[in-house]
Amino acid sequence: SQTIHQWPATLVQPVGSPLSLECTVEGTSNPNLYWYRQAAGRGLQLLFYSVGIGQISSEVPQNLSASRPQDRQFILSSKKLLLSDSGFYLCAWSVGGGGNTIYFGEGSWLTVV
Amino acid sequence: DQQVKQNSPSLSVQEGRISILNCDYTNSMFDYFLWYKKYPAEGPTFLISISSIKDKNEDGRFTVFLNKSAKHLSLHIVPSQPGDSAVYFCAASARDDKIIFGKGTRLHILP
Repeated sequence: SQTIHQWPATLVQPVGSPLSLECTVEGTSNPNLYWYRQAAGRGLQLLFYSVGIGQISSEVPQNLSASRPQDRQFILSSKKLLLSDSGFYLCAWSVGGGGNTIYFGEGSWLTVV
Repeated sequence: DQQVKQNSPSLSVQEGRISILNCDYTNSMFDYFLWYKKYPAEGPTFLISISSIKDKNEDGRFTVFLNKSAKHLSLHIVPSQPGDSAVYFCAASARDDKIIFGKGTRLHILP
């Protein structure tokens, strides 16, 4: 069966520090991969999605970036965090091709102080 | 521009009664719709989905209805149980692999 893991689960980072959140999927090949953010009192905002290695689509201009160095690995990064980057970050995967269910990881709480 | 809208931030329903959560969308290219349930500090869990070729899909206590002409879908939960208290997200996708979520509706099941 397929599983998805993301880490770290929680982190507190100072403004201006870098960020790296990692996500891996097991049990499937060539998945679509996604990063979402849930800010306080808001819905699930799509940040990035990827349909293959090195293929990243960005949905929201911001100081975050994503990379997919391996088929089942998705990384969310920032060089300098802002206070507004605080939120609950969720990695997700789906079978490629559209019209498929996506499955979420456990989430990562980021607090920028 | 919000393509998937859940206009009710919260909903309270008596235990045992029917819960109806609503969702509207604007993009006519959406052809696959999903509902997720989310508890605090956890990832959303998939509940039920429906393809645009159908107007109803049922799974146990959960039924999703799709009205394509109105660009509206709803999730019915019957009977409602205390464990159903959570935030429910509606989502939609077209053939481009993007999956867009609404802002969610917090459901409270009252004893």
